[in-house]
Amino acid sequence: DAKTTQPTSMDCAEGRAANLPCNHSTISGNEYVYWYRQIHSQGPQYIIHGLKNNETNEMASLIITEDRKSSTLILPHATLRDTAVYYCIVRPNTNAGKSTFGDGTTLTVKP
Amino acid sequence: GAVVSQHPSRVICKSGTSVKIECRSLDFQATTMFWYRQFPKKSLMLMATSNEGSKATYEQGVEKDKFLINHASLTLSTLTVTSAHPEDSSFYICSAPVSGAGGTGELFFGEGSRLTVL
Repeated sequence: DAKTTQPTSMDCAEGRAANLPCNHSTISGNEYVYWYRQIHSQGPQYIIHGLKNNETNEMASLIITEDRKSSTLILPHATLRDTAVYYCIVRPNTNAGKSTFGDGTTLTVKP
Repeated sequence: GAVVSQHPSRVICKSGTSVKIECRSLDFQATTMFWYRQFPKKSLMLMATSNEGSKATYEQGVEKDKFLINHASLTLSTLTVTSAHPEDSSFYICSAPVSGAGGTGELFFGEGSRLTVL
């Protein structure tokens, strides 16, 4: 069973910030939060990850709550090309750490 | 980021034949790789964990004899769908983690391989 739950779908206006929530209430102390996105018929693309501190890179920001039971991915200025399915997963930072995917959030960016 | 490549990207085969899908880590070594299956409009379903130099670990409900996994080197894992049937038609995706010294645990995914069994 997936360890994360996400809303099924979200819409966002082009140029606005997209905030995608994820619940991972059963996260273990050694598990990181990773975000990926998948465009139709392609392999998932890595976006960002974190353990407990907020993180930012050129693609997005990741906000993790203090209790680590939920997180939010922020795309600061969404474009039409950001339309995709976004997956939040938790896994240990080890080779053997398995990743079980939930259903993800389908983000639709509208003009 | 690290690069994982799959081949072939698309394959069509006749029922009863076997199909091999390759997954390569191009710029890093992967002692572990993961194989997923994805049906249309569904999420990725983990099939098995491929371990270099040892047997793969299969998820519950995945037939070991149907989906043969071999991880012969630190950069190559193969998935062979044996005696394929139309219900095996799916999108198969591999991934490899970049962990250990210098790695931060993120998974890098191949482009996926779409199998169609006629």
